Amino acid sequence: GAGVSQSPSNKVTEKGKDVELRCDPISGHTALYWYRQRLGQGLEFLIYFQGNSAPDKSGLPSDRFSAERTGESVSTLTIQRTQQEDSAVYLCASSLKITGRSEQYFGPGTRLTVT
Amino acid sequence: AQKITQTQPGMFVQEKEAVTLDCTYDTSDPSYGLFWYKQPSSGEMIFLIYQGSYDQQNATEGRYSLNFQKARKSANLVISASQLGDSAMYFCAMRPVNTGNQFYFGTGTSLTVIP
Repeated sequence: GAGVSQSPSNKVTEKGKDVELRCDPISGHTALYWYRQRLGQGLEFLIYFQGNSAPDKSGLPSDRFSAERTGESVSTLTIQRTQQEDSAVYLCASSLKITGRSEQYFGPGTRLTVT
Repeated sequence: AQKITQTQPGMFVQEKEAVTLDCTYDTSDPSYGLFWYKQPSSGEMIFLIYQGSYDQQNATEGRYSLNFQKARKSANLVISASQLGDSAMYFCAMRPVNTGNQFYFGTGTSLTVIP
């Protein structure tokens, strides 16, 4: 695939349920980022992975949020016991390297609606 | 602390005119990258232009140029010859190289091009 892909594109869930969001980065990209974007707002950093290093989890808003990445491939963002305030678009991005000009390539996002 | 500020929530420009979108940043890291992204109503984030903190010249990419004033810590985006398709949200972002490698995003500027 040419770009970053995310699935599902839309997810509607009931309050209290767990959800898993998936991100497939561009092949060979060592860095992977997750962001949250609430309606009409900017991007809120959640977590980033760089190769096999320990992830930077400093942006995760609560212990209900977790993410995993297998090597330099797929990542999964899990939200447990979803709340209405979790409703947002969740964007994943990957980049080739983290030094110099390493722009992020974004996926189309997953729109999460918690009812 | 790292911070990106975009003070213009909304801007209007006449088609074919030039427009400047403001961005100021704050970081103690001497090495950093500055990025601009475009987000159309469809939601995808599109990379536009990059400026490195040690770059001597202002970056240009087609109709986009970055007015980098390091002493003022500003990185304004200039779009020349505006087109209707330029109507979108524009986000400024910074990535400090030596302090965590997160991307820090501003709150965005909504640009509307008037025919």
